[in-house]
Formats: sequence, C-alpha cells, structure tokens
Amino acid sequence: DVKVTQSSRYLVKRTGEKVFLECVQDMDHENMFWYRQDPGLGLRLIYFSYDVKMKEKGDIPEGYSVSREKKERFSLILESASTNQTSMYLCASSTGTLLNTEAFFGQGTRLTVV
Amino acid sequence: DAKTTQPNSMESNEEEPVHLPCNHSTISGTDYIHWYRQLPSQGPEYVIHGLTSNVNNRMASLAIAEDRKSSTLILHRATLRDAAVYYCILREGGNNRKLIWGLGTSLAVNP
Repeated sequence: DVKVTQSSRYLVKRTGEKVFLECVQDMDHENMFWYRQDPGLGLRLIYFSYDVKMKEKGDIPEGYSVSREKKERFSLILESASTNQTSMYLCASSTGTLLNTEAFFGQGTRLTVV
Repeated sequence: DAKTTQPNSMESNEEEPVHLPCNHSTISGTDYIHWYRQLPSQGPEYVIHGLTSNVNNRMASLAIAEDRKSSTLILHRATLRDAAVYYCILREGGNNRKLIWGLGTSLAVNP
C-alpha cells in the first residue's frame, strides 16, 4: 500500500515562529503536493513539486515556501507563522500527470497558530 | 479552469444505493472526471475516474452522461463507513498536474 506520512497530526505554534511541516511518501512518486483545507473554501493548492529540487506555485503560495531535496520528502515551510495560517494541511503524492492516475493523501496536520 | 457543481449534502439509508450527482457543463474533451472522498478526520482518498465510458471498480460505479456535462457516482449498497464528503473533480488534459477541488457533497448514512 502507498503510504504518505505527515510528521504531525496536530501542531500549535506561536505567531512569528518558523514552522516546518514534513511529508514522506514510500512509493517513489515524482509528484508531491501541499494543500490547505478550510471550512467553506475546500482544498486549495499551495505548492507542488514534480521532481527533486523542482517546485511550482499553486493557487495560494504567499507566506509559504517548500523544499524537496530528496524524492520521498516534501517539506512545507511557514517562514513567519500568522494566525490566518491556522488550517488543516494535507500532503499528497502521485505518479504521472494525474490525468489517468490517482493522488494519495496523508492524514493531515491540523496547525493552530496562536 | 473547468468547475464542478455538487449538492451540499445528501442522505441515505444503510444498504441502499446512493447516487451522487455532479454537473460539469464547461468540461472540455480531454478532461477526466475524478471522484475522491474524505472520511472524517482523514485525508481524501481516491474513488474512481473516467473519461467517456461508464466505469466500475470495487468501491463504486461512475456513470457519465453522453454529452459529458454531468456524471453520477453510484455506491451500490451504502454502509455506515461510506459517510464522507465526496468530491467530483475535473482533471484537465495536458501536462498540468493540478486537481481543482470544489466543496463536495457531504453524505450521511442512516442505520
């Protein structure tokens, strides 16, 4: 079974802190994604990566950065956490172009910024 | 980006079939229709996808209208475990790797 593992289920951070959310997949997928999910807004794409050291902005990249140094690991970084970044963060991975393949999601990290 | 429209919520009884509708009137010829679901406190999981023909797998069936402007996800016998939010998503043709998510349909299953 494909596994996408996010390092934490719940996190509480203070405003201004630098926050790292880690995601690891074990199926050698080339594509990895970070989404945030908020009530009434659905899933919104923050960043994605289709290869090591490659990244592309999604729909809401402001306030975030990412790192992909190894194929299996994709990190989301909040440079200076703010309360409006309180959300559920979901990592996903896939192979190919997703045209005819599926994405696999982690369990999510619920981040609260106080 | 092509959009989908789904009812906010639906209700079903256990062991009865469930038909979850999705409208996608602006779909283009190369867009695939994907369905995912999200159980409470979990990440989304893939259910099924199709292009033009109806599709079946162990989880569900996907019926696609002849003009492709709508589709229906069919759960043949709902169980309590099927209570989830179901997302109908268009996957754009080409090299774009993005999925465009709507708000989905929240399905309640009554015992």
